[in-house]
Amino acid sequence: GDSVTQMEGPVTLSEEAFLTINCTYTATGYPSLFWYVQYPGEGLQLLLKATKADDKGSNKGFEATYRKETTSFHLEKGSVQVSDSAVYFCALSVWAGGTSYGKLTFGQGTILTVHP
Amino acid sequence: DTGVSQDPRHKITKRGQNVTFRCDPISEHNRLYWYRQTLGQGPEFLTYFQNEAQLEKSRLLSDRFSAERPKGSFSTLEIQRTEQGDSAMYLCASSLGVPNSPLHFGNGTRLTVT
Repeated sequence: GDSVTQMEGPVTLSEEAFLTINCTYTATGYPSLFWYVQYPGEGLQLLLKATKADDKGSNKGFEATYRKETTSFHLEKGSVQVSDSAVYFCALSVWAGGTSYGKLTFGQGTILTVHP
Repeated sequence: DTGVSQDPRHKITKRGQNVTFRCDPISEHNRLYWYRQTLGQGPEFLTYFQNEAQLEKSRLLSDRFSAERPKGSFSTLEIQRTEQGDSAMYLCASSLGVPNSPLHFGNGTRLTVT
């Protein structure tokens, strides 16, 4: 079956540090890949997505590149801020034809804490 | 766009009781999803609707769980004879229902079964 594996957390960084959160996947079909973020007390929000190999998703200074050869979608940011403290989820959705899309398979989440 | 709303935010119930949660999706979205999230884990898919039709149910959805979307707008998720293992955050999401359209999540209903 489909699955997503994220790096173990939590991750603690100082402000302006470089961030990488690793994500690898296995999928029976050809997936679209997503990063969702959950800020304290809020619902999950889409951060970025990539729908085909070598696509780069980007938003709010975060980037992730769809690497089919390594089945990875690592999240990066060059300089984190305190306001980036949140839980980050990697997810995939497989187009199985017909109506079976939009069903997301999530990783376990990575807690990021950024200190001033 | 008022977002996806869920009610209640929190529910505490005793084992064996029935509970019902409500989800109001974004009005123009025809797809509605239910997920369950336990502490330290990512959300797990439970079921989804295209308009009023329930198109898929996860094996996680035991016979005690039932979801409806009677008029293709709001949805309810009912759990009968609750068990302590049902304690979790129940998330609702909606989307436009076209490939790669993003899911918009509500803030969830946290269920505690004592």
